[in-house]
Amino acid sequence: KNQVEQSPQSLIILEGKNCTLQCNYTVSPFSNLRWYKQDTGRGPVSLTIMTFSENTKSNGRYTATLDADTKQSSLHITASQLSDSASYICVVSDRGSTLGRLYFGRGTQLTVWP
Amino acid sequence: EADIYQTPRYLVIGTGKKITLECSQTMGHDKMYWYQQDPGMELHLIHYSYGVNSTEKGDLSSESTVSRIRTEHFPLTLESARPSHTSQYLCASSETRATNEKLFFGSGTQLSVL
Repeated sequence: KNQVEQSPQSLIILEGKNCTLQCNYTVSPFSNLRWYKQDTGRGPVSLTIMTFSENTKSNGRYTATLDADTKQSSLHITASQLSDSASYICVVSDRGSTLGRLYFGRGTQLTVWP
Repeated sequence: EADIYQTPRYLVIGTGKKITLECSQTMGHDKMYWYQQDPGMELHLIHYSYGVNSTEKGDLSSESTVSRIRTEHFPLTLESARPSHTSQYLCASSETRATNEKLFFGSGTQLSVL
């Protein structure tokens, strides 16, 4: 069964600290993996998209890594800010460059405290 | 910032009412989607469209219907709302020709059926 599991379910950190969110998937065949940020009451916004051949991709203070062999990805947030408080969703696609079926994780709820 | 708009943002209605959730995008994207999301849960695809006059049901069984008469407009209709329809509804769009095509989400409609 194709699944996307994220951990932890929720996380609280202090402003300025780093954190790492995890995503494990069983989706096959694998096309690409996406990380989205969803603020409360808003729609998700794309952070990174990685294909099979990409090990890491950065977007400002966000760095995503992918190990396609172990089917694991992580999202590292550096020097967290209050505005980083949101749900971070891992999404895996099972097709080629054309958007195939998407498998969504339940997200990690990150809270950054001052 | 994505140019995809959903109205209304919030809707509280009584059981049995007919409602239409509006979604419009100004990016000229051919693909559009409707997702349903409950708190702490993953997004579930309920409808999608690959172009004008093309609509398909998604993975999650839904009593709603959609239409795609114009490229930019993808409304979702519930003929008779029930409390079980209470949820957040997210509209999204993407462009077929883009490599690793990105999904753009609207801000969502939070529906409460009393």
